[in-house]
Amino acid sequence: QQQVKQSPQSLIVQKGGISIINCAYENTAFDYFPWYQQFPGKGPALLIAIRPDVSEKKEGRFTISFNKSAKQFSLHIMDSQPGDSATYFCAASTQQFSGNTGKLIFGQGTTLQVKP
Amino acid sequence: SQTIHQWPATLVQPVGSPLSLECTVEGTSNPNLYWYRQAAGRGLQLLFYSVGIGQISSEVPQNLSASRPQDRQFILSSKKLLLSDSGFYLCAWSEGLTGYVGQPQHFGDGTRLSIL
Repeated sequence: QQQVKQSPQSLIVQKGGISIINCAYENTAFDYFPWYQQFPGKGPALLIAIRPDVSEKKEGRFTISFNKSAKQFSLHIMDSQPGDSATYFCAASTQQFSGNTGKLIFGQGTTLQVKP
Repeated sequence: SQTIHQWPATLVQPVGSPLSLECTVEGTSNPNLYWYRQAAGRGLQLLFYSVGIGQISSEVPQNLSASRPQDRQFILSSKKLLLSDSGFYLCAWSEGLTGYVGQPQHFGDGTRLSIL
């Protein structure tokens, strides 16, 4: 029940195209869903996050779509650029951290390559 | 603003040698602190977390240990390293307040540990 499944494992997109990464979770107690971007040799950096009271959140070219009934959420990168080439991780957690709750459960990651 | 520092950035150690990785956070008080390990091409595995000085919770049985001697200092240690301890070790912090904390978690740039 604690798993977060992420797909695809890798993705190649042409410059200007739309990159879409999907995640599915099982634990209905999760109420916080962030996406992290990681460049080689660096730590993950928070990209965008959503809470289940909204179905979509947009920040610049990055959009999270959230489907509570399906227990799925996805990251859309519009007008993808070569500089977006990185590994992307979805995660899920509860907003509060207390004992066994509040820990981030990460997906396995998606390596995105944007071709010029 | 808050910053997180990890050192060293890279480390090569022989099997059986001891280990000490350090993480410090600046610009915040009473943070929650985390140690993660990321194997090549894999997601992030939570190893330890701490909600206060001297308070350490272990997630995965292993020959690693963690300590928090000061409010904003988190140390990952081992008495005798194994080959399987190789990986990318990441420290993270999140806001903490009397044991309750909300997301998000912010990561350092990690330590690449190679065991020979």
